[in-house]
Amino acid sequence: GAGVSQSPRYKVAKRGQDVALRCDPISGHVSLFWYQQALGQGPEFLTYFQNEAQLDKSGLPSDRFFAERPEGSVSTLKIQRTQQEDSAVYLCASSLAGGAYEQYFGPGTRLTVT
Amino acid sequence: DAKTTQPPSMDCAEGRAANLPCNHSTISGNEYVYWYRQIHSQGPQYIIHGLKNNETNEMASLIITEDRKSSTLILPHATLRDTAVYYCIVKTFRANAGKSTFGDGTTLTVKP
Repeated sequence: GAGVSQSPRYKVAKRGQDVALRCDPISGHVSLFWYQQALGQGPEFLTYFQNEAQLDKSGLPSDRFFAERPEGSVSTLKIQRTQQEDSAVYLCASSLAGGAYEQYFGPGTRLTVT
Repeated sequence: DAKTTQPPSMDCAEGRAANLPCNHSTISGNEYVYWYRQIHSQGPQYIIHGLKNNETNEMASLIITEDRKSSTLILPHATLRDTAVYYCIVKTFRANAGKSTFGDGTTLTVKP
């Protein structure tokens, strides 16, 4: 009965480094979402997968951000050449079917770029 | 998806009902109202959703006005553990409806 897990929970990167954030969704969940949450603000949508297909990547802030879910389960959010403005909590969520169903969120990865 | 407006903060006494309002005046006919909450340092947690009828589950009740332009989330007996940021979201109920727009939510503080 595990929920959504994310790793690492905390990541400190020097400006210019590449980072990879992992999300393990609930087993059997078709849909997977990534959000970015800046301090004191609500989560901002980044991208959405249905199985291995990335159906919406309209929220990715720049071409430095890339997400994949090659086998329709685990997903990785990669940020290249990190900048200070990338510092945020990155949340992953999964849902049983389409995006209209309730989403189950992981604890997030707090990224700090120094 | 329609935009929502929520008050930035509210207080509630422990044991009393907490009534959290949400305005969604531009909601369209096929859009549902969803509520999530986020306790400090955790990911958001789904609470409830509805289309036009009032809904109740073990966590809360959702009251949607007849014109569907606003709704109220009710926590019937608030406890200190209900202190959180509450988000009202409006979203089309379709299979590939991915994006959810959270806004800044209402910070509910339950006081002893």
